[in-house]
Amino acid sequence: DAGITQSPRYKITETGRQVTLMCHQTWSHSYMFWYRQDLGHGLRLIYYSAAADITDKGEVPDGYVVSRSKTENFPLTLESATRSQTSVYFCASTGQEYQPQHFGDGTRLSIL
Amino acid sequence: KNQVEQSPQSLIILEGKNCTLQCNYTVSPFSNLRWYKQDTGRGPVSLTIMTFSENTKSNGRYTATLDADTKQSSLHITASQLSDSASYICVVSRSYNTDKLIFGTGTRLQVFP
Repeated sequence: DAGITQSPRYKITETGRQVTLMCHQTWSHSYMFWYRQDLGHGLRLIYYSAAADITDKGEVPDGYVVSRSKTENFPLTLESATRSQTSVYFCASTGQEYQPQHFGDGTRLSIL
Repeated sequence: KNQVEQSPQSLIILEGKNCTLQCNYTVSPFSNLRWYKQDTGRGPVSLTIMTFSENTKSNGRYTATLDADTKQSSLHITASQLSDSASYICVVSRSYNTDKLIFGTGTRLQVFP
């Protein structure tokens, strides 16, 4: 089915472990984004990508790594998870810079 | 400081009633303003997007207004339905930068029968 999918939907891990969140879109959108959503905060941009092999930092990039070797995939890696990274993570994509972004349904990540 | 503030934080209404959600922003420069609906456990879904020159935009029972002079926007929901229960997020985009979306914290709307 066309759309944007995130996996896993739920993840529990321990501090210090590496964890990768996956994002896949079928529209061939150029732009992809990673956000985190925490209580009391609006969505905050972690990283974004304007095209394959082009990525840039957002508002809260520390502790995260991204890559984009293919247009349709944009994985987010927490290299050494910390409790402060417990959050709901959303991936989004758009074909045009000023068009609405399409969001996945999120990954709820808990770090113990 | 670039900020988007929404009010009220939460709202309860009866099915069939109308309601209006508010968004004030202090974002500069301004490119466009977006309203998203976020159901519990789901990602946000776009409702409307308005540029500086647009002051009203509708999407079914949802009507957004924008006053760029006072930096205020509202989202009016007509004849509410139970499925309107969700969080509504106001997002302001700064000019020229695709990464510069400023998100409000949302208004949580509950519609009861």
